[in-house]
Amino acid sequence: DAGVTQSPTHLIKTRGQQVTLRCSPISGHKSVSWYQQVLGQGPQFIFQYYEKEERGRGNFPDRFSARQFPNYSSELNVNALLLGDSALYLCASSTGQGETQYFGPGTRLLVL
Amino acid sequence: AQSVSQHNHHVILSEAASLELGCNYSYGGTVNLFWYVQYPGQHLQLLLKYFSGDPLVKGIKGFEAEFIKSKFSFNLRKPSVQWSDTAEYFCAVLDTGRRALTFGSGTRLQVQP
Repeated sequence: DAGVTQSPTHLIKTRGQQVTLRCSPISGHKSVSWYQQVLGQGPQFIFQYYEKEERGRGNFPDRFSARQFPNYSSELNVNALLLGDSALYLCASSTGQGETQYFGPGTRLLVL
Repeated sequence: AQSVSQHNHHVILSEAASLELGCNYSYGGTVNLFWYVQYPGQHLQLLLKYFSGDPLVKGIKGFEAEFIKSKFSFNLRKPSVQWSDTAEYFCAVLDTGRRALTFGSGTRLQVQP
């Protein structure tokens, strides 16, 4: 079975730009969560979506937004990029509302 | 707010040595605990998890962890490490309200042949 997939794998943007990251969950999984992993730290929770509704939000500014589609795939949007947004963005999927989460390979975002 | 502490930031062992990585958590609700591993160039993989029942849980690749409620700990162990265990290890607790994982800062394990 295919695991969680994310696109693109790498991305370079400049300050002030906007970025959209995409995630496809494991087949049959209805929940998607997004995390930010800065170098040398553990992942930090951004959002959780279940059945197309936001069910949890971490301590991130409103520049961060997400949505989940009817096929359970998800997009993470970040507006007005800052240098500090440079990180690995991880998507995780689970069957229900987050019990055991399986992670994708991540999208590495570099903001110049 | 919940938190997870991993006290060992960088551990260097020789092959066949025993491993124990510390993890302490702070969380007032029902505890669901996880260890994830991130091998060089690979994505986070689930090693093992504890939801309830036997506090000694066994995972993949010979790893095990013990949940000690009185100590708020969930330490990871392996009797004999291999060079292929070189990786970063993350302990995490599930916030059942937000359905969010809170991770520790990770322990980088380097196994020397």
